[in-house]
Amino acid sequence: DIVMTQSPNSLAVSLGERATINCKSSQTVFYSSNNRNFLGWYQQKPGQPPKLLIYWASTRESGVPDRFSGSGSGTDFTLTISSLQAEDVAVYYCQQYYSTPLTFGGGTKVEI
Amino acid sequence: QVQLQESGPGLVKPSETLSLSCTVSGYSISSGYYWGWIRQPPGKGLEWIGSLYHSGTTYYNPPLRSRVTISVDTSKNQFSLKLRSVTAADTAIYYCARGARDVTVATFFDYWGQGTLVTVSS
Repeated sequence: DIVMTQSPNSLAVSLGERATINCKSSQTVFYSSNNRNFLGWYQQKPGQPPKLLIYWASTRESGVPDRFSGSGSGTDFTLTISSLQAEDVAVYYCQQYYSTPLTFGGGTKVEI
Repeated sequence: QVQLQESGPGLVKPSETLSLSCTVSGYSISSGYYWGWIRQPPGKGLEWIGSLYHSGTTYYNPPLRSRVTISVDTSKNQFSLKLRSVTAADTAIYYCARGARDVTVATFFDYWGQGTLVTVSS
């Protein structure tokens, strides 16, 4: 199984400041055959299901504000919120879809 | 707009079988994509349970494989989860979701149900 490790577990960021969340996979999730990283990011607000933000490590889902960006390759990935808004308070999860079983990181709680 | 809605008992006794259904609207399951179940114990992270293709092909998470069955009823545009011999450790919010990449189980999930809390207790 590919183990996904997120850091930090939680972080507090001032409004308008940058938030950076890290995700590390226990083995590569990069497929050289299609030059893609099989890594997604989700946002989960209290009482709601996860919402897809980013896939292929850096492609924003339709309707996701451009303050959210994903980067990284291989085993190390980052989700960045460039200017934190009040509505971004949530738990963020990474997920690998390189192989089954599909696995998620433990989550990072972002607070103001 | 694709919508998913979980349904089923919110309380299951230990050693019994947890049964949930997911009704899909706005898209025909028969048209494609993998359809999955993911669970989240209260206050904890996400665990993939398994996924199914409309043809009946299924993939399960190995730790749960011996207790899980995911099936489809295309006439009702529903897919279902059965988890046998439950314990308190199976208490969780259960989500159904659509895999965003057609014809492969190796996918992220683009549409999710609201989730249903299932508590295992006598």
